[in-house]
Amino acid sequence: KAGVTQTPRYLIKTRGQQVTLSCSPISGHRSVSWYQQTPGQGLQFLFEYFSETQRNKGNFPGRFSGRQFSNSRSEMNVSTLELGDSALYLCASSSTPSRTGGYGYTFGSGTRLTVV
Amino acid sequence: GNSVTQMEGPVTLSEEAFLTINCTYTATGYPSLFWYVQYPGEGLQLLLKATKADDKGSNKGFEATYRKETTSFHLEKGSVQVSDSAVYFCALGKENSGGSNYKLTFGKGTLLTVNP
Repeated sequence: KAGVTQTPRYLIKTRGQQVTLSCSPISGHRSVSWYQQTPGQGLQFLFEYFSETQRNKGNFPGRFSGRQFSNSRSEMNVSTLELGDSALYLCASSSTPSRTGGYGYTFGSGTRLTVV
Repeated sequence: GNSVTQMEGPVTLSEEAFLTINCTYTATGYPSLFWYVQYPGEGLQLLLKATKADDKGSNKGFEATYRKETTSFHLEKGSVQVSDSAVYFCALGKENSGGSNYKLTFGKGTLLTVNP
């Protein structure tokens, strides 16, 4: 079956602009999470969506937002881009997490955002 | 809060050498534990996982055992290959006390380089 698809793969934006990244989860997966990966901070959790509802949010400013559609596809938006937003943004999908321990996520290949 | 500490890299080995990458965690309750691998220019791939104490995850010759008494999940491989060169991330997954808001917490990653 198809994996997690993230588009675009690469993006260059100018400081102050906004950007929208897209993630299509594995068919049947209803949970989509987003992570930011930078050399300095490593992998940091942004937010998670499940059935179109944001269930959890990491410690990022309000410039970072997201949403999930009825087909489970998700988008994340970053407004007023800063140089420090340059990163690899990874999306992960999973089946419903279990109360007893959860399941591993399947990650996409990421979108490499460069802010100049 | 939850945290993961893994050994600092980089780790450089010769082909067929034995590999250990240490990982310890801090979490309440019973998290699931994972090892992910990231090849250059790609997203994260789940390498192996363990969901309860004393479970051993294994895949592609890699193994890790969930040790609750030492809060550890060390990654091992008996004979590494050049193709194993990548960044390895230890992670824990856990819901909050309400049973929702599942997320992964990652270690900083360990760069492994295997020379022929």
